[in-house]
Amino acid sequence: GESVGLHLPTLSVQEGDNSIINCAYSNSASDYFIWYKQESGKGPQFIIDIRSNMDKRQGQRVTVLLNKTVKHLSLQIAATQPGDSAVYFCAEIVGAGSYQLTFGKGTKLSVIP
Amino acid sequence: DAGITQSPRHKVTETGTPVTLRCHQTENHRYMYWYRQDPGHGLRLIHYSYGVKDTDKGEVSDGYSVSRSKTEDFLLTLESATSSQTSVYFCAISERTGNTEAFFGQGTRLTVV
Repeated sequence: GESVGLHLPTLSVQEGDNSIINCAYSNSASDYFIWYKQESGKGPQFIIDIRSNMDKRQGQRVTVLLNKTVKHLSLQIAATQPGDSAVYFCAEIVGAGSYQLTFGKGTKLSVIP
Repeated sequence: DAGITQSPRHKVTETGTPVTLRCHQTENHRYMYWYRQDPGHGLRLIHYSYGVKDTDKGEVSDGYSVSRSKTEDFLLTLESATSSQTSVYFCAISERTGNTEAFFGQGTRLTVV
């Protein structure tokens, strides 16, 4: 069954506001969690990852938070821009030697100018 | 963008015919993957390769076979295409296992009629 899922399928935000995309997971053995961005007609693009022994990781305008107690992952995008409009997927890897990324179903982010 | 080329980008084929999709990389990455993407399912792993002539099954491998005779090429074959294999197929590459930063190609849209 699906181990990684999303709370909301769509999200609309005003340009300049912060966006928060959520993801729930069920597999406590996951070692890494990853966020990918997919623009229309393109393949997924890596955004940021977090190891399971971390609570927070920051990148350029993005922050990923991991709450292992409730098995919840979130992606925060600061000062959302029109170019952030895309579908965002969370994914997980179980095991450091694993080949398989398990993806959630995706959240579509629409930025309102 | 990572040097990944998928061909063809679009294909329409009839039920029962064999189809081969090609993934070519110029990054010399060891690991290559084939995913399919369907509405409501996110991306699901079909097959992967961990070296020349070394391949294994993923989550949804039934009806598919793969081959990797050179580091740069990974072929996905649908032995006898069915309508349930209508999908968008993505190739991905990574440098190592457990590497969350997989790079994806642009995708191949396959329609089986």
